[in-house]
Amino acid sequence: DTEVTQTPKHLVMGMTNKKSLKCEQHMGHRAMYWYKQKAKKPPELMFVYSYEKLSINESVPSRFSPECPNSSLLNLHLHALQPEDSALYLCASSQVSGTPLAGYTFGSGTRLTVV
Amino acid sequence: GEDVEQSLFLSVREGDSSVINCTYTDSSSTYLYWYKQEPGAGLQLLTYIFSNMDMKQDQRLTVLLNKKDKHLSLRIADTQTGDSAIYFCAELRIDGRDDKIIFGKGTRLHILP
Repeated sequence: DTEVTQTPKHLVMGMTNKKSLKCEQHMGHRAMYWYKQKAKKPPELMFVYSYEKLSINESVPSRFSPECPNSSLLNLHLHALQPEDSALYLCASSQVSGTPLAGYTFGSGTRLTVV
Repeated sequence: GEDVEQSLFLSVREGDSSVINCTYTDSSSTYLYWYKQEPGAGLQLLTYIFSNMDMKQDQRLTVLLNKKDKHLSLRIADTQTGDSAIYFCAELRIDGRDDKIIFGKGTRLHILP
């Protein structure tokens, strides 16, 4: 299995809702990442997990809460989002944090719309 | 941090070569990448180059690296309609014991018939 799987593919949520994005990989990668990509913009790093521990938080608002329950799973919990948070949320993984010889493997993303 | 710079748009005739240019920021970057993103899709790693290399060729793709000028280019030979996508240049930045890949703004490649 050489894929990063993200669910759901599409999500529409209200500003008072709580939802979660899920990401899964079975490549034995020990570093996992969340990126946010607004329309016509490059992906922007949000969080880095290394060996299931949060190692980088790029000053992301607390309404985004990441969780890494085990080495294969990465979640992003969403609460009280704003319409400007609407974007494509991309998950990625790599072999070992600090030496990503072949770059990150990205999932297809979850397209989130906040109404 | 500083931006990774790319031209935003490139239009090429089918069968010609496409050359996408990028200027990166961190002279200590060890790895540089080219990613492809088709509409509505995630990011696909096309190729990468290590900083001690000047050139890397992989089938139709040629990557050139000028480390002195911090300039990276991607050449796609015999451009096909399936090459129509956004191409992101990216650099690896080390943050303590961790790493992060930082992307340029992306170049939209449009193929003319």
